[in-house]
Amino acid sequence: QKEVEQDPGPLSVPEGAIVSLNCTYSNSAFQYFMWYRQYSRKGPELLMYTYSSGNKEDGRFTAQVDKSSKYISLFIRDSQPSDSATYLCAMSVGKANGANSKLTFGKGITLSVRP
Amino acid sequence: DVKVTQSSRYLVKRTGEKVFLECVQDMDHENMFWYRQDPGLGLRLIYFSYDVKMKEKGDIPEGYSVSREKKERFSLILESASTNQTSMYLCASSRTVLRWLAGSYEQYFGPGTRLTVT
Repeated sequence: QKEVEQDPGPLSVPEGAIVSLNCTYSNSAFQYFMWYRQYSRKGPELLMYTYSSGNKEDGRFTAQVDKSSKYISLFIRDSQPSDSATYLCAMSVGKANGANSKLTFGKGITLSVRP
Repeated sequence: DVKVTQSSRYLVKRTGEKVFLECVQDMDHENMFWYRQDPGLGLRLIYFSYDVKMKEKGDIPEGYSVSREKKERFSLILESASTNQTSMYLCASSRTVLRWLAGSYEQYFGPGTRLTVT
């Protein structure tokens, strides 16, 4: 089993839809959870991050972490064509020194929002 | 504005050539990373470095080596390029965070180098 599993997609939704993107993980040491967004022909950029369990909201985006189920989600409300991109989840054990500095990424899911 | 730059956006090389991919960051970050990204396989870590002259193998180091002689620069070397190394290569950097919740674990990515080996 891979440490991080992400729904493979692709996903296509109409404009205005609510989108739910999910990742599961197996390493209970993960403490810090991130979502990256990658537009075509660009590098990934951090969209949101959360520590441990709970929800975090930023405009139309909500990140949710359930550590008991080892499950994280990203919700996009009122999706827009400009949200069309690849979304990657990423996780860290919560230290970023030395050999602990690496992140573990999901494979990414490509979202297309149709006008 | 934070910045990670990569030496080329597109590169075409022949099988057997030695290939150098350069990455430079201007954020004084301690950590630097090289990934490759392929459809269906996602981002895979090749090598990373958490200090000058230090390197750690990632998940797929075979066929690659790295060099970090200066803090701001991290080079990926393909000793003898092969067609299965055709890919998008992404460089990233991050700062060291020594204490839990003491800062951001964010990695900043460059724009990528699309390498084709023929």
